[in-house]
Amino acid sequence: QKEVEQNSGPLSVPEGAIASLNCTYSDRGSQSFFWYRQYSGKSPELIMFIYSNGDKEDGRFTAQLNKASQYVSLLIRDSQPSDSATYLCAVNIPRNYGQNFVFGPGTRLSVLP
Amino acid sequence: SQTIHQWPATLVQPVGSPLSLECTVEGTSNPNLYWYRQAAGRGLQLLFYSVGIGQISSEVPQNLSASRPQDRQFILSSKKLLLSDSGFYLCAWSLGSQPQHFGDGTRLSIL
Repeated sequence: QKEVEQNSGPLSVPEGAIASLNCTYSDRGSQSFFWYRQYSGKSPELIMFIYSNGDKEDGRFTAQLNKASQYVSLLIRDSQPSDSATYLCAVNIPRNYGQNFVFGPGTRLSVLP
Repeated sequence: SQTIHQWPATLVQPVGSPLSLECTVEGTSNPNLYWYRQAAGRGLQLLFYSVGIGQISSEVPQNLSASRPQDRQFILSSKKLLLSDSGFYLCAWSLGSQPQHFGDGTRLSIL
């Protein structure tokens, strides 16, 4: 089982709809969770982070964390064509060896005008 | 505020030639530093990470190497490039368990 999993997509939604992106992780000790957006040909940029169970809202973005079910999601309300990008989920996994920050493979989102 | 600089932005190299990519971070001390590679349409592959000067951990065996000669400088090198080394190379920094922040990347093409 991979440490961080995401559907590769593409996920297509019409303009103005809610886009829902999901991420699951395998290590129950994971403590912090991040969402990055990567436009084609560009580097990833951090858009949200969440540490506690529940929802965290920032503008049109809402991150949702459920540690019992080991998933984190990102909702994008009123989706715009400019939201079309690949969204990367990242998890900080506490461990005594190796690198703690693990990225998922990303989900490609396409918002259709 | 912290900034990360990565250069060059694009690079075209022949097979068998050497490589040196440089990354520097400003505005912070003792950051964790990372080199990733991303093939077209694929996810991020962690190549190296460093928690301090001279401390380098390699995640995948390959013909690449990394060095950290100064606290905020991270260098990715190769003595002889292979066709399979083509890709988008990204440098990133973080503090402790805080999120990683990426440079603008270097697009490397091997001919």
